[in-house]
Amino acid sequence: GIQVEQSPPDLILQEGANSTLRCNFSDSVNNLQWFHQNPWGQLINLFYIPSGTKQNGRLSATTVATERYSLLYISSSQTTDSGVYFCAVSISNFGNEKLTFGTGTRLTIIP
Amino acid sequence: DGGITQSPKYLFRKEGQNVTLSCEQNLNHDAMYWYRQDPGQGLRLIYYSQIVNDFQKGDIAEGYSVSREKKESFPLTVTSAQKNPTAFYLCASSKRASSSGETQYFGPGTRLLVL
Repeated sequence: GIQVEQSPPDLILQEGANSTLRCNFSDSVNNLQWFHQNPWGQLINLFYIPSGTKQNGRLSATTVATERYSLLYISSSQTTDSGVYFCAVSISNFGNEKLTFGTGTRLTIIP
Repeated sequence: DGGITQSPKYLFRKEGQNVTLSCEQNLNHDAMYWYRQDPGQGLRLIYYSQIVNDFQKGDIAEGYSVSREKKESFPLTVTSAQKNPTAFYLCASSKRASSSGETQYFGPGTRLLVL
């Protein structure tokens, strides 16, 4: 099956810093999503981005489908950005309906 | 409010006992999913359903069962055959199947602990 690798596994930053999270995947995808899991376990959709670039406030994401990676940028970090960020993909294969998740990047923002 | 609800928030299971986790959505989504998350890990798919009265096994279906009798409901039963059920269980839904490029939306989760 498709492999999804995220880096770095852990990231500790001072409030106000910028960060870049990376997701590499091993096959062509037709669905790529970034999620934020808060300390209570809730997963929140950040972006649906199988290709191209999107921005939402302090967050932006870029997926280069031909090179099989996606980047999530967080600018001017706040303590509320802490949590685990997951990348999940679905491959372009009829009958394969599942999202495959990476193991996540744990982000800790220090005041 | 539209969304996905899961209950209970915490569930305790005794050895040899079957327990059922509830998942309800009022988003009018066709597809629903169950995931398991172990500490420090990503999510793994247990079962999914694209339409009422139909469901498919995911990567780790052994020891679990589901039903999809109504569009808005997708309960998960953790049977006594699941030897290591302690985990965080997340339900999700999407308008159509994920391979169609649909965004998945998640419920708040149920934490299952074995006594």
